[in-house]
Amino acid sequence: EVQLVESGGGLVQPGGSLRLSCAASGFTLSRYWMHWVRRAPGKGLVWVSRINDAGTDATYADSVKGRFTISRDSAKNTLYLQMNSLRVEDSAVYYCARDGVATIPFDSWGQGTLVTVSS
Amino acid sequence: EVVLTQSPGTLSLSPGERATLSCRASQSVSSRQLGWYQQKPGQAPRLLIYDASSRATGIPDRFSGSGSGTDFTLTISRLEPEDFAVYYCQHYDSSPSAFGQGTKVEIK
Repeated sequence: EVQLVESGGGLVQPGGSLRLSCAASGFTLSRYWMHWVRRAPGKGLVWVSRINDAGTDATYADSVKGRFTISRDSAKNTLYLQMNSLRVEDSAVYYCARDGVATIPFDSWGQGTLVTVSS
Repeated sequence: EVVLTQSPGTLSLSPGERATLSCRASQSVSSRQLGWYQQKPGQAPRLLIYDASSRATGIPDRFSGSGSGTDFTLTISRLEPEDFAVYYCQHYDSSPSAFGQGTKVEIK
């Protein structure tokens, strides 16, 4: 069974850092493109970042470019999101999602981890 | 960058009624790059439709997608109690990927 489990969220002050993890099971992470998506309280889904299957190409939303870094550890079958210089507007539930095969989009999602940026 | 606009923002309907949700793209997109998701409170989003009209694995046939170019529609033929949720369209297979702002389907 495909499963994604996020962790690492919490309360952090503006300007601080957090690293989110997304542990995958039931499939090999390095065979799929992977994404981070967030949902702020009372708002809709917003795509944040993605990494290709080879781990050689990463893309970011303009709002996080230069502050967030997506990566993965194939040995641990885990996806990461390093978040630096956090802002109040980064507060959200962060989901990792798997990009499906062929033209199938985000076919598996984790339950999310809450990040709160506040002083 | 494609911007997706969903309407209406909220749809108030009764169980058994038909729901029609709209998603309009700011420029023409390939039908093979348009999907729909359902999200319930406290849960992760769930893929319903991909390629504009293909149902994902395990999705009941009361859910259907249609459209092309800039106008896409998600139809729920007869609302079941578990269908009351927020629905998002998505333009994928591109960077950046884009979601619409969502349509909430609530019980009337």
